[in-house]
Amino acid sequence: QSLLRQPPSASGNVGQRVTISCSGSASNIGPNTVHWYRQLPGSAPTLLIYSTSQRPSGVPDRFSGSKSGTSASLAISGLQSEDEADYYCAAWDDRLHGVVFGTATSVTVL
Amino acid sequence: QLVESGGGVVQPGRSLRLSCVASGFSFNKHAIHWVRQAPGKGLEWVAVTTYDGTAGYYAVSVKGRFTISRDNSKNTVYIEMTRLRNEDSGVYFCVRDADPSGYSGWFDPWGQGALVTVSS
Repeated sequence: QSLLRQPPSASGNVGQRVTISCSGSASNIGPNTVHWYRQLPGSAPTLLIYSTSQRPSGVPDRFSGSKSGTSASLAISGLQSEDEADYYCAAWDDRLHGVVFGTATSVTVL
Repeated sequence: QLVESGGGVVQPGRSLRLSCVASGFSFNKHAIHWVRQAPGKGLEWVAVTTYDGTAGYYAVSVKGRFTISRDNSKNTVYIEMTRLRNEDSGVYFCVRDADPSGYSGWFDPWGQGALVTVSS
């Protein structure tokens, strides 16, 4: 199954802004919405952003999502120590008729 | 809430069935997926069943070996895994697709996961 491409790692100091990219294709991100998940060690992933830019209740507005063409981005502003986790993007793929995940980005707070 | 069960240790070539019981939402209105994660690896989508169970779609890696099904009278989804391989080992998560228009990968909530170990 094809994967969406994410940088393996990202880091920043407390209070800084970090951006994670998610690169796809004309069969997934291009025509469809993108969703983002956060996974803490030893835990199941949780929904962070849905429908490209929507935040579920309880997710602080420090997290934001966007999309342009066949790429999407997750931005974390005002980085906090509890943001250290793995982050995944996901989208439906019209050609594969299934969901494709990103390759995961591990965020480190310096 | 989604609660998986049925995980365990199984020899290569054998079969195993996982179950996922849902509660707290209108089960028969949502597609349900299985997503897995090999030890130390990323997330991999496995399969989806439509809200009514009339169709299922599979990742290339499991197509022809795994079968997803559901029983809406029991709020339960199953995945029957046959001809298991070492590379099928991992935690299997049951997830609801929250997209009201069908399925899009909008996964919420996630189950806690069921561990499957394929080993001789």
